[in-house]
Amino acid sequence: EVQMVESGGGLVQPGGSLRLSCAASGFTFRNSWMTWVRQAPGKGLEWVAHMDQDGSQRNYVDSVEGRFTISRDNVQNSVYLQMNSLRGEDTAVYFCARGHYGLDIWGQGTTVTVSS
Amino acid sequence: DIVMTQSPDSLAVSLGERATINCKSSQSVLYSSDNKNYLGWYQQRPGQPPKLLFYWASSRASGVPDRFSGSGSGTDFTLTISSLQAEDVATYYCEQYYSTPRTFGQGTKLEIK
Repeated sequence: EVQMVESGGGLVQPGGSLRLSCAASGFTFRNSWMTWVRQAPGKGLEWVAHMDQDGSQRNYVDSVEGRFTISRDNVQNSVYLQMNSLRGEDTAVYFCARGHYGLDIWGQGTTVTVSS
Repeated sequence: DIVMTQSPDSLAVSLGERATINCKSSQSVLYSSDNKNYLGWYQQRPGQPPKLLFYWASSRASGVPDRFSGSGSGTDFTLTISSLQAEDVATYYCEQYYSTPRTFGQGTKLEIK
C-alpha cells in the first residue's frame, strides 16, 4: 500500500524547535522529489519546502528560510523537516507529499502548535 | 513570487449541474521549452489531505472521475465538474510549480445548493 505517515508534531513554545518526520512506503522513495506543505487553522495550503532525490536541490518559502531544514534518508525511506526558532505563525498542520510536477501522494498531516 | 487567484471564493451548485472554478496566475506558467503549463489542481475534502486531480493543467491524475476536466493555458485556467455529485463537496486549489516558491490559490469552497 502506498502511504506516507507524518509524526513529530506537538505543542512548542515560541523560539523552540521541532523535528517532523514522514515515513514513506509502497513506492520507490529514492526516485521521488519530496515536499512539505502546511495549512494554518481554517486557511489554505502553503508550500514550505521541497528537495530532489539526492538532496542536491532544496528550496524554501521565504518565511521559513534559515529556520527550517528539509532532509531525507533514502535508506529509511523518510523525509524530515527540522524547524527552529518557531513562531506563532508556524502553527499549522504539516503535510508531506511526493512529487515535483503535481503532488500525487500525501500524508494525513501532523499538527504543530506554537504557543506559550 | 507568482500569485494565484481563484474565483469564486465559494460556489453552490445543484446536484447534477455544472461547476466551474477559475484560476489566474500573475505571470504565465507555460514553459516554452516543453510547451507545458506548470499547473495542478487539488481537491481537499473536510478533514482530509489534498488529493491531486490534474497536473500539467489538464492531465487527469489516476482514479479521478471523467466528470472532472482541467483546461486553460498561460495565465488562465479552469476546473470543471460536468455533473456535480455529493462527494464533490470540497475545497479546490490550483497550484503553480513553474517557479519556487510554489504557490497555491486561496481555494474555492464548493457546496451543494
